[in-house]
Amino acid sequence: NAGVTQTPKFRVLKTGQSMTLLCAQDMNHEYMYWYRQDPGMGLRLIHYSVGEGTTAKGEVPDGYNVSRLKKQNFLLGLESAAPSQTSVYFCASSWTGGADTQYFGPGTRLTVL
Amino acid sequence: AQSVTQPDIHITVSEGASLELRCNYSYGATPYLFWYVQSPGQGLQLLLKYFSGDTLVQGIKGFEAEFKRSQSSFNLRKPSVHWSDAAEYFCAVAGTALIFGKGTTLSVSS
Repeated sequence: NAGVTQTPKFRVLKTGQSMTLLCAQDMNHEYMYWYRQDPGMGLRLIHYSVGEGTTAKGEVPDGYNVSRLKKQNFLLGLESAAPSQTSVYFCASSWTGGADTQYFGPGTRLTVL
Repeated sequence: AQSVTQPDIHITVSEGASLELRCNYSYGATPYLFWYVQSPGQGLQLLLKYFSGDTLVQGIKGFEAEFKRSQSSFNLRKPSVHWSDAAEYFCAVAGTALIFGKGTTLSVSS
Protein backbone atom coordinates (compact mmCIF):
# COMPACT_ATOMS: atom_id res chain seq x y z
CA ASN A 1 0.00 0.00 0.00
CA ALA A 2 1.94 2.99 -1.29
CA GLY A 3 -0.65 5.66 -0.40
CA VAL A 4 -0.20 8.75 -2.54
CA THR A 5 2.74 8.89 -4.92
CA GLN A 6 3.93 11.70 -7.15
CA THR A 7 6.07 11.66 -10.27
CA PRO A 8 8.57 13.23 -10.77
CA LYS A 9 10.16 14.33 -7.49
CA PHE A 10 12.17 17.12 -9.07
CA ARG A 11 12.06 18.93 -12.39
CA VAL A 12 13.67 21.95 -13.97
CA LEU A 13 11.93 23.60 -16.92
CA LYS A 14 12.66 26.52 -19.14
CA THR A 15 10.07 29.24 -19.59
CA GLY A 16 7.50 28.17 -22.16
CA GLN A 17 8.08 24.44 -21.82
CA SER A 18 5.28 22.12 -20.89
CA MET A 19 5.09 19.21 -18.49
CA THR A 20 2.69 16.94 -16.66
CA LEU A 21 2.84 15.97 -13.01
CA LEU A 22 1.34 12.62 -12.12
CA CYS A 23 -0.39 11.77 -8.87
CA ALA A 24 -1.47 8.24 -8.09
CA GLN A 25 -3.33 6.85 -5.08
CA ASP A 26 -4.10 3.26 -4.19
CA MET A 27 -6.70 3.90 -1.48
CA ASN A 28 -9.69 4.03 -3.83
CA HIS A 29 -10.35 7.62 -2.78
CA GLU A 30 -12.95 9.63 -4.66
CA TYR A 31 -11.49 13.06 -4.04
CA MET A 32 -8.10 14.25 -5.22
CA TYR A 33 -6.41 17.63 -4.95
CA TRP A 34 -3.45 19.58 -6.25
CA TYR A 35 -1.87 22.22 -4.03
CA ARG A 36 1.15 24.43 -4.46
CA GLN A 37 3.38 25.47 -1.59
CA ASP A 38 5.35 28.68 -1.70
CA PRO A 39 7.52 30.13 1.09
CA GLY A 40 5.43 32.10 3.55
CA MET A 41 2.19 31.28 1.70
CA GLY A 42 1.21 27.90 3.08
CA LEU A 43 -0.54 25.54 0.69
CA ARG A 44 -3.00 26.85 -1.86
CA LEU A 45 -5.48 24.75 -3.81
CA ILE A 46 -4.96 24.68 -7.58
CA HIS A 47 -7.59 22.20 -8.80
CA TYR A 48 -9.48 19.31 -7.34
CA SER A 49 -11.59 16.37 -8.44
CA VAL A 50 -14.62 14.80 -6.77
CA GLY A 51 -14.52 11.66 -8.85
CA GLU A 52 -13.37 10.07 -12.07
CA GLY A 53 -13.98 12.36 -15.03
CA THR A 54 -14.66 15.46 -12.92
CA THR A 55 -12.44 18.44 -12.12
CA ALA A 56 -12.95 21.87 -10.58
CA LYS A 57 -10.94 25.03 -10.03
CA GLY A 58 -9.44 25.95 -6.74
CA GLU A 59 -7.94 29.16 -5.44
CA VAL A 60 -5.06 29.51 -7.93
CA PRO A 61 -5.98 27.65 -11.15
CA ASP A 62 -4.54 29.98 -13.79
CA GLY A 63 -1.82 28.44 -15.96
CA TYR A 64 -2.71 24.86 -14.98
CA ASN A 65 -4.93 22.17 -16.39
CA VAL A 66 -5.92 18.85 -14.86
CA SER A 67 -7.44 15.56 -15.86
CA ARG A 68 -8.89 12.61 -13.97
CA LEU A 69 -9.38 9.90 -16.57
CA LYS A 70 -8.87 7.10 -14.05
CA LYS A 71 -10.03 7.15 -10.45
CA GLN A 72 -6.56 6.47 -9.10
CA ASN A 73 -4.73 9.13 -11.13
CA PHE A 74 -4.87 12.92 -11.13
CA LEU A 75 -2.68 14.76 -13.63
CA LEU A 76 -1.57 18.37 -13.38
CA GLY A 77 -0.40 20.01 -16.58
CA LEU A 78 1.54 23.16 -17.27
CA GLU A 79 1.11 24.08 -20.92
CA SER A 80 3.59 26.98 -20.98
CA ALA A 81 5.61 27.18 -17.81
CA ALA A 82 6.42 30.53 -16.25
CA PRO A 83 8.90 31.42 -13.49
CA SER A 84 5.93 32.22 -11.23
CA GLN A 85 5.09 28.53 -11.29
CA THR A 86 8.31 27.64 -9.51
CA SER A 87 6.96 25.91 -6.43
CA VAL A 88 6.54 22.65 -4.59
CA TYR A 89 3.44 20.81 -5.73
CA PHE A 90 1.55 18.46 -3.47
CA CYS A 91 -1.15 16.02 -4.38
CA ALA A 92 -3.64 14.75 -1.81
CA SER A 93 -6.60 12.39 -1.74
CA SER A 94 -9.54 11.65 0.53
CA TRP A 95 -12.65 9.48 0.66
CA THR A 96 -14.99 12.43 0.75
CA GLY A 97 -14.45 16.15 0.54
CA GLY A 98 -14.20 18.97 3.02
CA ALA A 99 -13.89 17.56 6.50
CA ASP A 100 -12.41 14.19 5.60
CA THR A 101 -8.74 13.55 6.29
CA GLN A 102 -6.55 14.22 3.29
CA TYR A 103 -3.50 12.07 2.62
CA PHE A 104 -0.60 13.84 1.01
CA GLY A 105 2.05 12.74 -1.43
CA PRO A 106 5.74 13.60 -0.94
CA GLY A 107 5.68 16.55 -3.32
CA THR A 108 7.29 17.61 -6.60
CA ARG A 109 9.80 20.44 -6.58
CA LEU A 110 9.51 22.36 -9.84
CA THR A 111 11.86 25.12 -10.93
CA VAL A 112 11.10 27.23 -14.00
CA LEU A 113 14.04 29.19 -15.34
CA ALA B 1 -14.59 34.21 3.69
CA GLN B 2 -13.00 31.26 5.39
CA SER B 3 -9.43 31.80 6.49
CA VAL B 4 -6.79 30.59 8.89
CA THR B 5 -4.19 32.74 10.59
CA GLN B 6 -1.05 31.46 12.24
CA PRO B 7 0.41 34.55 13.92
CA ASP B 8 3.87 33.12 14.55
CA ILE B 9 6.10 32.57 11.54
CA HIS B 10 8.96 31.05 13.50
CA ILE B 11 9.25 29.78 17.06
CA THR B 12 12.28 28.41 18.88
CA VAL B 13 11.89 26.35 22.03
CA SER B 14 14.37 24.45 24.13
CA GLU B 15 14.27 20.69 24.12
CA GLY B 16 12.09 19.52 26.97
CA ALA B 17 10.18 22.80 27.19
CA SER B 18 6.48 23.09 26.50
CA LEU B 19 5.12 24.28 23.18
CA GLU B 20 2.06 26.16 22.05
CA LEU B 21 1.44 27.06 18.42
CA ARG B 22 -1.37 29.48 17.77
CA CYS B 23 -4.09 29.20 15.17
CA ASN B 24 -7.09 31.45 14.60
CA TYR B 25 -9.80 30.73 12.09
CA SER B 26 -12.61 32.53 10.39
CA TYR B 27 -15.58 30.35 9.49
CA GLY B 28 -19.30 30.91 9.48
CA ALA B 29 -20.46 27.59 10.83
CA THR B 30 -18.97 24.94 13.10
CA PRO B 31 -15.49 24.45 11.74
CA TYR B 32 -13.66 21.25 11.04
CA LEU B 33 -10.06 21.96 12.05
CA PHE B 34 -6.80 20.20 11.41
CA TRP B 35 -3.15 20.39 12.35
CA TYR B 36 -0.58 18.97 9.92
CA VAL B 37 3.17 18.69 10.30
CA GLN B 38 5.73 18.84 7.51
CA SER B 39 9.26 17.64 8.16
CA PRO B 40 11.97 19.05 5.87
CA GLY B 41 11.62 17.73 2.35
CA GLN B 42 8.57 15.66 3.24
CA GLY B 43 4.85 15.73 2.61
CA LEU B 44 2.26 16.64 5.20
CA GLN B 45 1.24 14.34 8.01
CA LEU B 46 -1.97 14.74 9.99
CA LEU B 47 -1.37 15.37 13.70
CA LEU B 48 -4.98 15.72 14.82
CA LYS B 49 -8.37 16.99 13.84
CA TYR B 50 -11.46 18.47 15.46
CA PHE B 51 -14.94 17.83 14.17
CA SER B 52 -17.23 18.19 17.18
CA GLY B 53 -17.64 17.11 20.79
CA ASP B 54 -14.80 17.32 23.26
CA THR B 55 -12.91 20.55 22.71
CA LEU B 56 -9.58 19.02 23.71
CA VAL B 57 -8.31 16.76 20.97
CA GLN B 58 -5.46 14.29 21.31
CA GLY B 59 -3.22 13.53 18.38
CA ILE B 60 -0.14 11.60 17.47
CA LYS B 61 3.37 12.18 18.78
CA GLY B 62 2.06 13.56 22.09
CA PHE B 63 0.35 16.61 20.59
CA GLU B 64 -3.01 17.98 21.64
CA ALA B 65 -5.11 20.94 20.56
CA GLU B 66 -7.92 22.85 22.19
CA PHE B 67 -10.85 24.30 20.28
CA LYS B 68 -12.14 27.57 21.73
CA ARG B 69 -15.14 28.83 19.86
CA SER B 70 -15.29 32.12 21.80
CA GLN B 71 -11.76 32.95 20.69
CA SER B 72 -11.96 31.34 17.22
CA SER B 73 -8.80 29.48 18.10
CA PHE B 74 -7.40 25.99 17.76
CA ASN B 75 -3.98 26.09 19.42
CA LEU B 76 -1.60 23.15 19.28
CA ARG B 77 0.29 22.12 22.41
CA LYS B 78 2.90 19.67 23.55
CA PRO B 79 4.12 19.43 27.14
CA SER B 80 7.72 18.49 26.34
CA VAL B 81 9.32 19.10 22.95
CA HIS B 82 11.82 16.70 21.41
CA TRP B 83 14.47 17.65 18.85
CA SER B 84 12.62 15.54 16.28
CA ASP B 85 9.62 17.88 16.55
CA ALA B 86 11.50 20.53 14.56
CA ALA B 87 9.34 20.99 11.47
CA GLU B 88 6.77 23.25 9.90
CA TYR B 89 3.26 23.11 11.32
CA PHE B 90 0.12 24.01 9.46
CA CYS B 91 -3.33 24.68 10.79
CA ALA B 92 -6.21 24.19 8.36
CA VAL B 93 -9.96 24.52 8.21
CA ALA B 94 -12.14 22.40 5.95
CA GLY B 95 -13.95 24.18 3.17
CA THR B 96 -14.36 22.77 -0.33
CA ALA B 97 -10.87 21.49 0.30
CA LEU B 98 -8.50 22.45 3.08
CA ILE B 99 -7.72 26.10 3.70
CA PHE B 100 -4.29 26.34 5.22
CA GLY B 101 -2.60 28.91 7.35
CA LYS B 102 0.83 30.08 6.25
CA GLY B 103 2.57 27.82 8.70
CA THR B 104 4.80 28.10 11.74
CA THR B 105 8.35 26.85 11.64
CA LEU B 106 9.45 25.24 14.89
CA SER B 107 13.12 25.10 15.80
CA VAL B 108 14.28 23.13 18.82
CA SER B 109 17.41 24.18 20.66
CA SER B 110 19.48 21.88 22.85
